[in-house]
Amino acid sequence: DAGVIQSPRHEVTEMGQEVTLRCKPISGHDYLFWYRQTMMRGLELLIYFNNNVPIDDSGMPEDRFSAKMPNASFSTLKIQPSEPRDSAVYFCASSLWRETHNEQFFGPGTRLTVL
Amino acid sequence: GQQLNQSPQSMFIQEGEDVSMNCTSSSIFNTWLWYKQDPGEGPVLLIALYKAGELTSNGRLTAQFGITRKDSFLNISASIPSDVGIYFCAGRISSGSARQLTFGSGTQLTVLP
Repeated sequence: DAGVIQSPRHEVTEMGQEVTLRCKPISGHDYLFWYRQTMMRGLELLIYFNNNVPIDDSGMPEDRFSAKMPNASFSTLKIQPSEPRDSAVYFCASSLWRETHNEQFFGPGTRLTVL
Repeated sequence: GQQLNQSPQSMFIQEGEDVSMNCTSSSIFNTWLWYKQDPGEGPVLLIALYKAGELTSNGRLTAQFGITRKDSFLNISASIPSDVGIYFCAGRISSGSARQLTFGSGTQLTVLP
């Protein structure tokens, strides 16, 4: 298995621009998670999906952030308009839920820089 | 929200030494996971624990799920240069529908030759 795939690996954009981050979870996994990592705040959960349905988006910082999962093999995290404080590494993770085995597997991340 | 206290924040050790780090929580967890993150990469799962008192090894790594279900530790024996990185603990609270993990702030490990 290829693992969780994220694109792009790096994104540099200017304030006000729209940014779209992409994720392909591990095939067969039923949960998908979006995280943001910064030095100041560590790893923060933004939103997660179960079977393509958003379950908890309480971590999404503002209305400028939105996430979709149109099918089991693809999810996007969109920031519109982007701001310099959105600069961070964004990770996607997926898992297959079983009561005693439900580890999350992370993608390589997208490093976002908003100028 | 839930908080995990991970310590130490950073460690500098000599190659060959053993390392120990731990996480504590104010809440009861039913899952503890330990991850390692290398620069520019995503966290990689090292060990998963699902039962109070469970002791699990993965090569030179050993982790335990605390009997109170509020703590976990990770030991690395005979450290080598490639052990350098940031180690994160993560836990899932003992609540029916909860699926999200809470992460510790990480332990930065430096191994000196």
